[in-house]
Amino acid sequence: SQQGEEDPQALSIQEGENATMNCSYKTSINNLQWYRQNSGRGLVHLILIRSNEREKHSGRLRVTLDTSKKSSSLLITASRAADTASYFCATITSGTYKYIFGTGTRLKVLA
Amino acid sequence: KAGVTQTPRYLIKTRGQQVTLSCSPISGHRSVSWYQQTPGQGLQFLFEYFSETQRNKGNFPGRFSGRQFSNSRSEMNVSTLELGDSALYLCASSLGASQNPYGYTFGSGTRLTVV
Repeated sequence: SQQGEEDPQALSIQEGENATMNCSYKTSINNLQWYRQNSGRGLVHLILIRSNEREKHSGRLRVTLDTSKKSSSLLITASRAADTASYFCATITSGTYKYIFGTGTRLKVLA
Repeated sequence: KAGVTQTPRYLIKTRGQQVTLSCSPISGHRSVSWYQQTPGQGLQFLFEYFSETQRNKGNFPGRFSGRQFSNSRSEMNVSTLELGDSALYLCASSLGASQNPYGYTFGSGTRLTVV
């Protein structure tokens, strides 16, 4: 089964609002990453947070990590129509070289 | 610098045929990973290569195979195609020297349709 599970599966908001999506995972990790995918194209790396970090910012993105709960959240502030995409979390289990992706959250930002 | 290049972008094959997909990673990246993406199963890890060696393999049947060349370019092959192999196949490259602390760079994918 998927290492990461995102929720919600789909999210629809108005432009200017904030969007929050969550990711849960199952095993110990070295880091957790978030990716964006537009319309079945390749994924774009957004942000990486290491297991010893609790919060990280990049522009309008804010990621938190709670290793005790094995969960992470991605907050997109002041969303824009261009943020419409699917968002995936990805984790790499300690001792392996493969990333496991979550099921994704489909975000739709309405203009 | 050039991104990850996957060829071809689209492919239509008949059941029973075989197919080879190609991926050229970012210059200097030595790790190439392959993923299959379908609406029902999401992104599934196929395998990862580093310096021509397969380091990790996902849970796919032996019909799925891959290799990496000395210039880090990678190919994956699917033999005896089935309808269920229709998917977007994504290649991702990274420096790969350790456990990938910098994230992947993905190609745009190859959309394979099996009829």
